[in-house]
Amino acid sequence: GQNIDQPTEMTATEGAIVQINCTYQTSGFNGLFWYQQHAGEAPTFLSYNVLDGLEEKGRFSSFLSRSKGYSYLLLKELQMKDSASYLCAFMDSNYQLIWGAGTKLIIKP
Amino acid sequence: GAVVSQHPSWVICKSGTSVKIECRSLDFQATTMFWYRQFPKQSLMLMATSNEGSKATYEQGVEKDKFLINHASLTLSTLTVTSAHPEDSSFYICSARRLGDSDNSPLHFGNGTRLTVT
Repeated sequence: GQNIDQPTEMTATEGAIVQINCTYQTSGFNGLFWYQQHAGEAPTFLSYNVLDGLEEKGRFSSFLSRSKGYSYLLLKELQMKDSASYLCAFMDSNYQLIWGAGTKLIIKP
Repeated sequence: GAVVSQHPSWVICKSGTSVKIECRSLDFQATTMFWYRQFPKQSLMLMATSNEGSKATYEQGVEKDKFLINHASLTLSTLTVTSAHPEDSSFYICSARRLGDSDNSPLHFGNGTRLTVT
């Protein structure tokens, strides 16, 4: 079967670094996405990994290990505006996105 | 580029009435549009996939006669919630895949519609 799991909520301090983990299980895989979603708004695309390794994009980086069914999103130099939910989603063999429930990130001053 | 406009942003309707939600790709043509529903603190749930000029493909458990989807052009898809009930209250989000993009390209999301049925 397919499933995807990420922590429900995390708290971090402004200026610090936080890592949000995501684990998944699927027989067919066409990449893993991270999206940011502010309350009451639609998700916005952050990153896409299809090969193992780290993809860096400014303050945000995303890592993938296909053999372990594991990804993480790393946020550096946290700002208050980074308070949001972070959704991971993998794309299965039919190119359908399977979404996690999201990790609510709370940034404290 | 790749802006998706969803309208209305929020709507309150009475039980038993119908509500239409529009999803437009403003600066690109969308071969495929996806309709999601999201309940509080839950993941996005795909309701249906629509391709321009053909019937939508509904996910298991989604009533096609209740959630009518029309994808009449490469820039417009509509979702009509017919005979709405309070349990239909949710956040509805559309997304689009741009014409020419690969199947694993990121989707472009509208801003969502908050539906409240009283």
